[in-house]
Amino acid sequence: EPEVTQTPSHQVTQMGQEVILRCVPISNHLYFYWYRQILGQKVEFLVSFYNNEISEKSEIFDDQFSVERPDGSNFTLKIRSTKLEDSAMYFCASSSRTGNYGYTFGSGTRLTVV
Amino acid sequence: EDKVVQSPLSLVVHEGDTVTLNCSYEVTNFRSLLWYKQEKKAPTFLFMLTSSGIEKKSGRLSSILDKKELFSILNITATQTGDSAVYLCAVLMNRDDKIIFGKGTRLHILP
Repeated sequence: EPEVTQTPSHQVTQMGQEVILRCVPISNHLYFYWYRQILGQKVEFLVSFYNNEISEKSEIFDDQFSVERPDGSNFTLKIRSTKLEDSAMYFCASSSRTGNYGYTFGSGTRLTVV
Repeated sequence: EDKVVQSPLSLVVHEGDTVTLNCSYEVTNFRSLLWYKQEKKAPTFLFMLTSSGIEKKSGRLSSILDKKELFSILNITATQTGDSAVYLCAVLMNRDDKIIFGKGTRLHILP
């Protein structure tokens, strides 16, 4: 069964450092998303991406965040200057927007900012 | 503000019991309601409900949507310890496919 792959599974970074979280969506999907889940809290939408541009973003997704699809397979989330409160599990998801099926989520990257 | 509210937030039952998890929502641009199971990491898809009154079943799990009352339930019969997880209810929005999640119901099944 097709999977969304995320790397790394766990990243520890110092406050103020830049991090890039990587995702390989399902190959025939056209819609890509990032969500985050702070420990003990609910999953929150960050951004959606289609046709090489952001289609919607949440209030969380401020100027410190950016997304990119640098080639035909990868989809990345960059945090420019990490803060302690960025510590969370970050989930990538992709969707074909067709058929009787929801998104497919990746297994997540646990980001710890120290 | 769009919101998804789940109840109870936490539930402990014995193996073999039947549980009903509740989800209510208030959103604009509703497309579908989704149920996910989250164990250690990523949410895994259970059901997608778009029409009212049509029950979806998968083994011991079933779910139904009431679009008039803006409500859905997830039933698990003959629970097993492997059903222990957080069950997430979410609404898939019509515009841009954004998902709004509830806080989840943490279900613990005692052997």
